Amino acid sequence: NAGVTQTPKFRILKIGQSMTLQCTQDMNHNYMYWYRQDPGMGLKLIYYSVGAGITDKGEVPNGYNVSRSTTEDFPLRLELAAPSQTSVYFCASSYRERDKNIQYFGAGTRLSVL
Amino acid sequence: DQQVKQNSPSLSVQEGRISILNCDYTNSMFDYFLWYKKYPAEGPTFLISISSIKDKNEDGRFTVFLNKSAKHLSLHIVPSQPGDSAVYFCAAGGNDMRFGAGTRLTVKP
Repeated sequence: NAGVTQTPKFRILKIGQSMTLQCTQDMNHNYMYWYRQDPGMGLKLIYYSVGAGITDKGEVPNGYNVSRSTTEDFPLRLELAAPSQTSVYFCASSYRERDKNIQYFGAGTRLSVL
Repeated sequence: DQQVKQNSPSLSVQEGRISILNCDYTNSMFDYFLWYKKYPAEGPTFLISISSIKDKNEDGRFTVFLNKSAKHLSLHIVPSQPGDSAVYFCAAGGNDMRFGAGTRLTVKP
């Protein structure tokens, strides 16, 4: 199994450009997440989804959009890139049970907005 | 607001000794707690977890303790090995998870 796959690994954007960060999981997990990690900081939750067709905002959703049309895919959209969105982005998936929620992470996408 | 805090940015221990990493949280609704390990240029990997109905969970050299009244959890690594050197994140929540800022553990040979 590939697990959680993120593309691209690296990207440089100009201010005002848009892009989509791709995330795919092959574990049939119901939950998926997007986080960003700024230097020296922890992971901040951007958006999450508890199943196809359902998405919810996390701690830092402004400037981002998501969709979940299938169980496998959870793309993150940046519409008007800003320097404050320079960060490393991690996608994760999990199979949420009553007392368990272990997340499996992709390798990350390093994004620079100049 | 930072709902999960790791107040020690770094920790250095000698090989063979115990490593204790600490984490505090503020939201009493959190019902599931995890520790992740992260190497540079990789995503976090799951290490150990505990649900709110327990106060201790053990897996080999790793033990997580949960003190709900104090809203505090800790990770004990015994004995510590050089390969344990990494950044450790605690996470807490339910459907959505909140992460601490991480503690960089260095285990010296």
